[in-house]
Amino acid sequence: DTGVSQNPRHKITKRGQNVTFRCDPISEHNRLYWYRQTLGQGPEFLTYFQNEAQLEKSRLLSDRFSAERPKGSFSTLEIQRTEQGDSAMYLCASSLGAGDGNEQFFGPGTRLTVL
Amino acid sequence: AQTVTQSQPEMSVQEAETVTLSCTYDTSESDYYLFWYKQPPSRQMILVIRQEAYKQQNATENRFSVNFQKAAKSFSLKISDSQLGDAAMYFCAYRSATYGNSGNTPLVFGKGTRLSVIA
Repeated sequence: DTGVSQNPRHKITKRGQNVTFRCDPISEHNRLYWYRQTLGQGPEFLTYFQNEAQLEKSRLLSDRFSAERPKGSFSTLEIQRTEQGDSAMYLCASSLGAGDGNEQFFGPGTRLTVL
Repeated sequence: AQTVTQSQPEMSVQEAETVTLSCTYDTSESDYYLFWYKQPPSRQMILVIRQEAYKQQNATENRFSVNFQKAAKSFSLKISDSQLGDAAMYFCAYRSATYGNSGNTPLVFGKGTRLSVIA
């Protein structure tokens, strides 16, 4: 499969626990984006990378959130001390480069439920 | 900051009929891109159609077409000959147009419209 993959697909955790999600972009895509989608809302931008460099973080990305892309390939999103408000679908997307004509391809998402 | 508004939380259409989904946006930029994405239940989001703001001609992709009114900041999606497989959430999205290494910036999405197709 050559699409964007995300693992796990579902995660249930208790409040206060740490969780980590992984995104594997399409091979050779050097742009990688994280979005969050809560119930009844459209996706909201969290952060994005050009290769291993994190280019921008939104104000939604509190200090409890950290994202990495250490080798410019897969990326991880970690949430520390989870809160019930963190319950959402976390979407990853990738694209080939900075060209405005390049499409962002989305993964299936990781659904997080914080109890 | 740019905003995208979809005023129809839910829409329904009879199979083989035509439906139009509405989208308005707010921006002070003159150059940008607009998109419609489809998110089927429990499946990943896919791009349906896109429009470059500098192009006056409305984009068309098979049964999908847009009505882009730049002055009114309106970007509606028309689905012709609706099929059962068109049932999904549809998101309108905006992206600034920048150049060089600053391009392909993150998308700004509306809240979505849930489309049901009735057999």
